[in-house]
Amino acid sequence: DAGVTQSPTHLIKTRGQHVTLRCSPISGHKSVSWYQQVLGQGPQFIFQYYEKEERGRGNFPDRFSARQFPNYSSELNVNALLLGDSALYLCASSLGPLYPDEQYFGPGTRLTVT
Amino acid sequence: AQSVSQHNHHVILSEAASLELGCNYSYGGTVNLFWYVQYPGQHLQLLLKYFSGDPLVKGIKGFEAEFIKSKFSFNLRKPSVQWSDTAEYFCAAAGTYKYIFGTGTRLKVLA
Repeated sequence: DAGVTQSPTHLIKTRGQHVTLRCSPISGHKSVSWYQQVLGQGPQFIFQYYEKEERGRGNFPDRFSARQFPNYSSELNVNALLLGDSALYLCASSLGPLYPDEQYFGPGTRLTVT
Repeated sequence: AQSVSQHNHHVILSEAASLELGCNYSYGGTVNLFWYVQYPGQHLQLLLKYFSGDPLVKGIKGFEAEFIKSKFSFNLRKPSVQWSDTAEYFCAAAGTYKYIFGTGTRLKVLA
């Protein structure tokens, strides 16, 4: 079975721009979570979605938003990019609805903001 | 505030040495605890988890962890490490709709 997939792999953006990152969960998984991982730190929780509804949100500004589609794939959007948004963005899926549950992580999208 | 602390940022051991990685958490309410591992070039993956019951949990590849409620700790152990255990290890605490990870411990095992 295919694991969690994320696109793109790498991305370079300029300050002030916006970015959309995409994630496809493991088949049968209905929950998707997003994390930001800055170099030298552990993943920081951004959002969790289950059945297309936001179920949890971390301490991130409103510039960060996400949505989940009927096929359970998800997008993370970041507006008005700042240099500090440079990080590895991880997507994780889980079966749901039990939370917390084991998370299955994707390879991540490396975002560089210049 | 909710937090997870991992005391050792870098650990270097020789093969066959014993391993213990510390993890302390601060999390109000019911908490579930996890250890994830990231091998070089691979994704984060679950090593073991504690939800309830026996506080000594066993995971993959001979790892185990002990939940000590009075100390708010969930330390990871392995009696004898192998070169293939070289990786970064993350402790995590999770409650309702929120996961908190520690900063990670980089383990290097010398052959």
